[in-house]
Order: sequence, then structure tokens, then C-alpha cells
Amino acid sequence: EDQVTQSPEALRLQEGESSSLNCSYTVSGLRGLFWYRQDPGKGPEFLFTLYSAGEEKEKERLKATLTKKESFLHITAPKPEDSATYLCAVRMSGTSYGKLTFGQGTILTVHP
Amino acid sequence: KAGVTQTPRYLIKTRGQQVTLSCSPISGHRSVSWYQQTPGQGLQFLFEYFSETQRNKGNFPGRFSGRQFSNSRSEMNVSTLELGDSALYLCASSSSGSRTGELFFGEGSRLTVL
Repeated sequence: EDQVTQSPEALRLQEGESSSLNCSYTVSGLRGLFWYRQDPGKGPEFLFTLYSAGEEKEKERLKATLTKKESFLHITAPKPEDSATYLCAVRMSGTSYGKLTFGQGTILTVHP
Repeated sequence: KAGVTQTPRYLIKTRGQQVTLSCSPISGHRSVSWYQQTPGQGLQFLFEYFSETQRNKGNFPGRFSGRQFSNSRSEMNVSTLELGDSALYLCASSSSGSRTGELFFGEGSRLTVL
């Protein structure tokens, strides 16, 4: 069965304390792995797309990496405004473009 | 460029009633997908429409239905509401020509069933 699992469920960091979020997936064919950020009461906001193992993408304090089994979202020197739920999702081969399978998310809290 | 617009943002219904939610995609996007988000199940795919045709459907009962109009605007309907239908319903639009392939989400319609 195709699955996307994120860990940890929640993460508390001090401002400036770097860490990583994990997204492991078991899918029959990957056509893209996506990272989204979701603030309370809002819809998910797109961060990155990764298509193949070894690929990396960066944006400000965030860096996403991809292997054949998992993806990591590295947060360097986080700030309180980075507090949000981070969602990982996959698009599988043989399915339609608008269907993503999401993980349960990691709730990140950054304390000043 | 305007984003994905969903209406209404909040609504309260009672069991047995039905509800219709509306979604206006980003201009030029022909694909509209709907998702249900709950604390227990997370984000789950409901269905996708492209050029007024349902292209895919998730594992939800037949009480959940949708449609898309010629201007790409979409509606979803839930009939005979149950308490468990309380959720944030998210609409997303996309363009298959996008290099990054992402879905653009609206802010959602928060449904509470009493």
C-alpha cells in the first residue's frame, strides 16, 4: 500500500537551533515529492518539488533533499516565524495530476 | 494574479442537511482538486476535475459529489451530512504545464456539522 509517513509529529526548537524533518514514502512509482507549509486557518503553501533521488532545493532557511526512500526538510537557524505545520506529499505514477497523497505533517514550534 | 478562492469560509450545518462549497481556481488553471482535512486523517483526496470531467475520485462515499463548469469554477456537494463530515475542505488548482507541478490551495471552507 502506498504510504507517506512524517516524523516527528511535533518538534519544538529554540530560535537558531537547526534540525531536520523526515518524510518517508513507499510508493510504486514517484512522479514528484512536494513540501508544503500550512499556517493555522490557512491552506497549504507550496515550498518545494523534488523529482529524483539526489535532488536538492533551497529557499532561505529551508533545504529539501530526496533519496529513494525518504526526503528531509532541513531548517537552518530557524526563527519564530518558521513555526507552522510542514506537510509532505507525493504524486504517484499512474494517477491524475491533481491527486497528491499527504503525510500527517510535522508541527514545528520555534521559541524566541 | 488572484489565488484560489473558496466560499463560504465558514459554515455550520446540522445532521441530515446538505451543503455546497464553491471554488474559483487561478485564472488559466483547468484542473481543480478537492481535499478534506481533519485532525485524525490529515489531508485526503476527494476528487479532481479537468475540463468539466471528473478525472479521479478518492475513497469517499457517494454523498460526496462535485462538478466543474466551463469557466473551470468548481463546486462540491455533501448530502445527508454526518457529524464526521466536520472538516476543512480545501480546493486546489493546477496547471499541467507547470515545471514545479505544484497544486495551489485556497484557504478552505470550514464545515461544522452539529
